[in-house]
Amino acid sequence: DTGVSQDPRHKITKRGQNVTFRCDPISEHNRLYWYRQTLGQGPEFLTYFQNEAQLEKSRLLSDRFSAERPKGSFSTLEIQRTEQGDSAMYLCASSSPSRSSYEQYFGPGTRLTVT
Amino acid sequence: AQKVTQAQTEISVVEKEDVTLDCVYETRDTTYYLFWYKQPPSGELVFLIRRNSFDEQNEISGRYSWNFQKSTSSFNFTITASQVVDSAVYFCALSEAQRAGSYQLTFGKGTKLSVIP
Repeated sequence: DTGVSQDPRHKITKRGQNVTFRCDPISEHNRLYWYRQTLGQGPEFLTYFQNEAQLEKSRLLSDRFSAERPKGSFSTLEIQRTEQGDSAMYLCASSSPSRSSYEQYFGPGTRLTVT
Repeated sequence: AQKVTQAQTEISVVEKEDVTLDCVYETRDTTYYLFWYKQPPSGELVFLIRRNSFDEQNEISGRYSWNFQKSTSSFNFTITASQVVDSAVYFCALSEAQRAGSYQLTFGKGTKLSVIP
């Protein structure tokens, strides 16, 4: 059983550029979450998908951020017109529809550096 | 609003010592879930345990044990006979049922544990 995978692991971009990250959840996990973690802090919730439907978004998710999960499988998180404040680790997590659906399993993260 | 407080920012212990990581939470819900995650230097968050609000039994798993006390809103984590491999940042987290059913996690700021050989 493979875990959650994320690509790329590291991304360095210049301010103003667009970036896109990909998350592949554990197979058959219908719930998918995106979090952001800055240095010295715990992860903060960004958005949630159940299957292909994006059901919840945090106020942290400005209009420069967009997330998709076509066909309820992998998900992408795009940041447009990146700013230095976007530099962070972006974490994806998934959980199953079973009784342990409250447990989220995390991927290795994508570390974004905006220069 | 839900909140998790981990007052200990950093702890250093000598190998084989016991160490307890504190976690205090705030919630208005009667049904909620508490978690501990480990984040080693590699960066990946590793799930350790989930506790339901209606189950106050303490739990032991090998060298790890958890003490859940609703009366004090605490969910503390003890590592017995610590090892160098236990060095990591440990996060306590809380989730409640949201309107959309997301059960998103609210994390504390983490406690960095250093185990010195």
